[in-house]
Amino acid sequence: RKEVEQDPGPFNVPEGATVAFNCTYSNSASQSFFWYRQDCRKEPKLLMSVYSSGNEDGRFTAQLNRASQYISLLIRDSKLSDSATYLCVVRSNDYKLSFGAGTTVTVRA
Amino acid sequence: DTGVSQDPRHKITKRGQNVTFRCDPISEHNRLYWYRQTLGQGPEFLTYFQNEAQLEKSRLLSDRFSAERPKGSFSTLEIQRTEQGDSAMYLCASSYNRDYSGNTIYFGEGSWLTVV
Repeated sequence: RKEVEQDPGPFNVPEGATVAFNCTYSNSASQSFFWYRQDCRKEPKLLMSVYSSGNEDGRFTAQLNRASQYISLLIRDSKLSDSATYLCVVRSNDYKLSFGAGTTVTVRA
Repeated sequence: DTGVSQDPRHKITKRGQNVTFRCDPISEHNRLYWYRQTLGQGPEFLTYFQNEAQLEKSRLLSDRFSAERPKGSFSTLEIQRTEQGDSAMYLCASSYNRDYSGNTIYFGEGSWLTVV
């Protein structure tokens, strides 16, 4: 079983729509959680950390459910520039990141 | 300040040849990581260094792979006798960690390897 599982999508949404997707992780001892964004043939870039209480960063909202080992990302008022692959990332110890395979989002005009 | 830089960005090689990638981390970052990413997958951890010490190697890192960070600054990843299955993007990342507390990891733009 993979450490981090994500729905690959693709999610194809119109501009202005809300899109949400999630991931699950297998290691209950995982310490930290993140969403990274990756554009085609580019490196992953940190989008936001995910905290137990849930957190927002502008149009992006992340939630963590430790009991269910589940992380979600919601994007409000989607922009064309939000089109990318979103990687769910879990830090299982002090140095190692485990990545999901990514969820592809395409925002259309 | 420059970010993590990797060289070469693209490499096409024939099966059986050796290739070497170089990574220059963000200056003063004491941790350096190597990941590998294939199409449709997320990056997979290969190995990491704390200063010049290589502290963990993934099972993905077969005997044909070797990584070094001789002076705790830049790092090299060498693949010997390349196979077609080695075709991937090799990502280097770095972070600054004090007292073994986690910190933001910054990725380089990656080195694309195609083995023909």
